[in-house]
Amino acid sequence: NAGVTQTPKFRVLKTGQSMTLLCAQDMNHEYMYWYRQDPGMGLRLIHYSVGEGTTAKGEVPDGYNVSRLKKQNFLLGLESAAPSQTSVYFCASSYPLFSGQGFFGANVLTFGAGSRLTVL
Amino acid sequence: KQEVTQIPAALSVPEGENLVLNCSFTDSAIYNLQWFRQDPGKGLTSLLLIQSSQREQTSGRLNASLDKSSGRSTLYIAASQPGDSATYLCSGAGSYQLTFGKGTKLSVIP
Repeated sequence: NAGVTQTPKFRVLKTGQSMTLLCAQDMNHEYMYWYRQDPGMGLRLIHYSVGEGTTAKGEVPDGYNVSRLKKQNFLLGLESAAPSQTSVYFCASSYPLFSGQGFFGANVLTFGAGSRLTVL
Repeated sequence: KQEVTQIPAALSVPEGENLVLNCSFTDSAIYNLQWFRQDPGKGLTSLLLIQSSQREQTSGRLNASLDKSSGRSTLYIAASQPGDSATYLCSGAGSYQLTFGKGTKLSVIP
């Protein structure tokens, strides 16, 4: 099992260029997430998806778009990259947690190894 | 809006010591509380998940507790080892998404 795979692992862009980060999971998870991690800011949620064909905004969605056309893939797009988008991006996946007492949110998240993006 | 705080930001202990990492959250209406470990340059690895109906979870030398009423969780590491050196993050889970603290960077000195 590969788990969660992110491509590319590294990328350097010039301001104004566009690119797409691909996240693929082979665990049949319903939920998928894109986070960015910056020094001193921690992990912040950009967008997430609770199923194929659905997406929702997280804490810091501006400047990003996402698509989930297939259950196993979650794409993060930057239409016009800015230096403020220099960061490490993490994709994660999960599924609903149910127990005898009901629903308990997203189950354990599985993270990808990260994609380091630099915008000059 | 959920806010998660972790104190201290960094901690250095000698090998063999028991230690506690703290996590507090502002919205007690969480579905679960998750603890993760992150090694430098790597992704996050899940350590423990505590459902909102539970008080604690244990895995090996790790024990995590949850007190929803006070908005606190602790991660207890027994008999620390140099291999435990990493950044530890906690997260409060809403219905779908997780909000993370900034982490505690732990260094275990041989």
